[in-house]
Amino acid sequence: EAQVTQNPRYLITVTGKKLTVTCSQNMNHEYMSWYRQDPGLGLRQIYYSMNVEVTDKGDVPEGYKVSRKEKRNFPLILESPSPNQTSLYFCASSPTGSSYNSPLHFGNGTRLTVT
Amino acid sequence: LAKTTQPISMDSYEGQEVNITCSHNNIATNDYITWYQQFPSQGPRFIIQGYKTKVTNEVASLFIPADRKSSTLSLPRVSLSDTAVYYCLVGDMRAAGNKLTFGGGTRVLVKP
Repeated sequence: EAQVTQNPRYLITVTGKKLTVTCSQNMNHEYMSWYRQDPGLGLRQIYYSMNVEVTDKGDVPEGYKVSRKEKRNFPLILESPSPNQTSLYFCASSPTGSSYNSPLHFGNGTRLTVT
Repeated sequence: LAKTTQPISMDSYEGQEVNITCSHNNIATNDYITWYQQFPSQGPRFIIQGYKTKVTNEVASLFIPADRKSSTLSLPRVSLSDTAVYYCLVGDMRAAGNKLTFGGGTRVLVKP
């Protein structure tokens, strides 16, 4: 089944303890992206990647890191989490480079709580 | 990057048609308009996409006027299960360096 898989689904951690949220897609998509969703603010893009080893900042990149060493994986790294990073996180992917403007495929989300 | 504006919420009743309009005044020539549906605790799901005029699929229609500065998602004969948040997204997936930014979404509540 074609899908975007995020892990874990739920995570509670403490301020300053490094964590990684994994994202993997099995559709051979070039484009991958991370969003955070907060009440009243909709979906805000954190980082995106057009292809392997190509990453760029979205609208709210502060406090986050990403890497794209393989096409299928795009982990989100919080080196020193803070309470304001408590949020619902979504990973998404899409094919690019074609004549068709392909939509995004989203994972089921990771709910992160930083105390 | 085209900014989108949508109504915050809309109420409807089962069997009615729901129309949600999204404003995108600075849409670029190569931008497509894509709508997503999101249920609580799930990722957004693709509904429909269009470039101009009208597009229809099995779940919705999308109306885009000639100037493309707005678009209207039409959900025919809604049911309780259509209660969700609907997002309008404007952008060109094929463009390098494409930040795809979502608007605040429209919360649709379908009542019995």
